[in-house]
Amino acid sequence: DGGITQSPKYLFRKEGQNVTLSCEQNLNHDAMYWYRQDPGQGLRLIYYSQIVNDFQKGDIAEGYSVSREKKESFPLTVTSAQKNPTAFYLCASADQGARVGELFFGEGSRLTVL
Amino acid sequence: KNQVEQSPQSLIILEGKNCTLQCNYTVSPFSNLRWYKQDTGRGPVSLTIMTFSENTKSNGRYTATLDADTKQSSLHITASQLSDSASYICVVSARGGSQGNLIFGKGTKLSVKP
Repeated sequence: DGGITQSPKYLFRKEGQNVTLSCEQNLNHDAMYWYRQDPGQGLRLIYYSQIVNDFQKGDIAEGYSVSREKKESFPLTVTSAQKNPTAFYLCASADQGARVGELFFGEGSRLTVL
Repeated sequence: KNQVEQSPQSLIILEGKNCTLQCNYTVSPFSNLRWYKQDTGRGPVSLTIMTFSENTKSNGRYTATLDADTKQSSLHITASQLSDSASYICVVSARGGSQGNLIFGKGTKLSVKP
């Protein structure tokens, strides 16, 4: 079935460690996005990519890094520089770009810093 | 400043009853408005996307309305079911700007009780 797969579903990290969240899509979408969701807040954009080997910072990119080496994959690394990394992370993709087309979300990855 | 405000913040209704969720926005220039349903711990799923010229759009028991003049939208749920318990997120897209330019509301948490 076509869709977006995020892994792992749950992740625990000690302070000072980098962690990488995986996002894979088989929808043949050009655009991919990473959002962060905190309780009581709307989704906030971390990074997005409209084409392979290119990506743009979102509203809260500090402490995060991404790569887009393949159309299907858009991994997110949460670095030790991110001061409050505990959150629910959502990956999404869109055919024509999120501004115009429908946005499809993965099931999310919940990161907890111990 | 582009903003999306949703009300109420939370709502409890009995199974079988109808309810209406509200979304007010100040996004300009307007491109489209979406409603998403997000089950607890899962990724959001699209319910409707409405452009400037659309006043009403239905998806099963979900009916969204849009008044572009007053910049208001509503999501009406008919004959609620226990499975409707979720957060409902209103998202507005602005014309122009970057592909990441979606403004998310904080959501309305709906609980349907038997």
